[in-house]
Amino acid sequence: NAGVTQTPKFQVLKTGQSMTLQCAQDMNHNSMYWYRQDPGMGLRLIYYSASEGTTDKGEVPNGYNVSRLNKREFSLRLESAAPSQTSVYFCASSLGLANEKLFFGSGTQLSVL
Amino acid sequence: AQSVTQLDSQVPVFEEAPVELRCNYSSSVSVYLFWYVQYPNQGLQLLLKYLSGSTLVKGINGFEAEFNKSQTSFHLRKPSVHISDTAEYFCAVRVKTSYDKVIFGPGTSLSVIP
Repeated sequence: NAGVTQTPKFQVLKTGQSMTLQCAQDMNHNSMYWYRQDPGMGLRLIYYSASEGTTDKGEVPNGYNVSRLNKREFSLRLESAAPSQTSVYFCASSLGLANEKLFFGSGTQLSVL
Repeated sequence: AQSVTQLDSQVPVFEEAPVELRCNYSSSVSVYLFWYVQYPNQGLQLLLKYLSGSTLVKGINGFEAEFNKSQTSFHLRKPSVHISDTAEYFCAVRVKTSYDKVIFGPGTSLSVIP
């Protein structure tokens, strides 16, 4: 049982390049999330998908787009990468109920030069 | 809107000593409370959660937390830490009526000194 799988684990981009971070879960979860983690700031929510077919902005959505491709997959796209997007990105999923915990992937370390 | 404050960004403690990591939250509605742990180069995993009932919650690895509604706090404690407890600890809240967002605090880095 793989849980939440993120790819790639590491990525280096030049300013202005685009890329997509992939996330898939095999737990039949309804809700999926993308967070970024920066030193001293904890995890900040970029986008989330409460259920298949819906997506909503979180705290820091600017510069990102998402696609909930199906129930399993939730991708995060950077259309034109900026140095301010250098961060560690985590995908997470949950059943969706408020009292349920989040399951996290192992993260993607992204550097934008 | 909800927010989470973790007053200590770094906590060094000697092995086998007790530790308390502080968490305060603000919310105008009822919330569920969580503590997550992040070991180096890994994602977060749940330590414990408070949903309702007894204000003292026990989690994995000997950790416990106490919910205090009047002080809007949810402090994490362990009576005797081990080297393997060295990690980043995050407090989080989730609105009871919302199926969507989890809000995390900035984290506390616990370093256990041998």
